[in-house]
Amino acid sequence: GQNIDQPTEMTATEGAIVQINCTYQTSGFNGLFWYQQHAGEAPTFLSYNVLDGLEEKGRFSSFLSRSKGYSYLLLKELQMKDSASYLCAVTNYNTDKLIFGTGTRLQVFP
Amino acid sequence: SAVISQKPSRDICQRGTSLTIQCQVDSQVTMMFWYRQQPGQSLTLIATANQGSEATYESGFVIDKFPISRPNLTFSTLTVSNMSPEDSSIYLCSLRTGPTGGFFGPGTRLTVL
Repeated sequence: GQNIDQPTEMTATEGAIVQINCTYQTSGFNGLFWYQQHAGEAPTFLSYNVLDGLEEKGRFSSFLSRSKGYSYLLLKELQMKDSASYLCAVTNYNTDKLIFGTGTRLQVFP
Repeated sequence: SAVISQKPSRDICQRGTSLTIQCQVDSQVTMMFWYRQQPGQSLTLIATANQGSEATYESGFVIDKFPISRPNLTFSTLTVSNMSPEDSSIYLCSLRTGPTGGFFGPGTRLTVL
């Protein structure tokens, strides 16, 4: 089976940096995705990691360690609009489906 | 990027009835996925819908409760049968596009009274 864990909630201040962790256990790992979901909206794709290391995309970066079954999403220069849920999801070699973690609700305060 | 539309966007239904949700994609895709998102929760995969074959259901979901059709490469339906209040959720269809991520439809918000 698959087990994907994230902190349930986090809070941060505008302009700060926040790191959202994701740990996973899955067979045939073939990549990890991060999604952002604002309340009442569908998830939108943020990043994809399949190799170890850091992928940077503007204010958002995502890191993966396959040996540790660990990823994090780093958000810099936080803005109020970053208040949302952040979902990590993993996929494996055998299927093209995404299995989602528990999700982290981030609140950014002024 | 793909454009995905869903109908209806929301509905309020009585327990014991059924609702069919439609998902239309503007391009041909081999696999489509149906997810459920219960209030305040993450996404749970219901099934994978392949064109020309029966859907593959995840543990805890059965065809009698969530029958799926996939008549062509751009369209799929999910039916929520014999509904109960526990079925109140957002239902989303999705497709994968490899490492560029996946796209989700806008979702169908279902309330069962």
